[in-house]
Amino acid sequence: EADIYQTPRYLVIGTGKKITLECSQTMGHDKMYWYQQDPGMELHLIHYSYGVNSTEKGDLSSESTVSRIRTEHFPLTLESARPSHTSQYLCASSDQGLLETQYFGPGTRLLVL
Amino acid sequence: AQKITQTQPGMFVQEKEAVTLDCTYDTSDPSYGLFWYKQPSSGEMIFLIYQGSYDQQNATEGRYSLNFQKARKSANLVISASQLGDSAMYFCAMRDFDYNQGGKLIFGQGTELSVKP
Repeated sequence: EADIYQTPRYLVIGTGKKITLECSQTMGHDKMYWYQQDPGMELHLIHYSYGVNSTEKGDLSSESTVSRIRTEHFPLTLESARPSHTSQYLCASSDQGLLETQYFGPGTRLLVL
Repeated sequence: AQKITQTQPGMFVQEKEAVTLDCTYDTSDPSYGLFWYKQPSSGEMIFLIYQGSYDQQNATEGRYSLNFQKARKSANLVISASQLGDSAMYFCAMRDFDYNQGGKLIFGQGTELSVKP
């Protein structure tokens, strides 16, 4: 059982608001990831991190930003939410090693009105 | 380019029967890993099973087994003795040694499995 947490689980918010999606893991994993998933669709990588002070963009363009100040914490921020940001956001982490298993958090379902 | 294909959008199986979910992949990298995840309606992604490209034997984890046919580039998931709680979306995913993007997972489109009582 992986120990990775996301809050909030559900968020309904108005256009233009700033939001931060939280992700924490207690496994000491160096690598962390954010994926975006529209309903019934596959996941797409939007951000990842190799470790503290490392952040990179994924292959799906996203207006969100991330930070990695602590190993266990990898929050995602949207400065100004729009209806096009409505989606599910899944955080994952993995140990070092190129083929290590990624463990996922429960996800945040975001609805922007 | 790496790609995962799941050709079954939806599958039905009777409780206690076995079911096979198909997955084919494409990569030019000789070193890669294949993963299956289960996503219930609640949304979380649950890791089920992993197969490395150099593994000689098919992976098994409890009721889950992976039918790995390297020459055909297929990695089908077999669930034995289906249970009602197995009803969910199942995703096949691949990760290779391309270190761009931190070893990201590439996902298939998913297969929705429904187990009938």
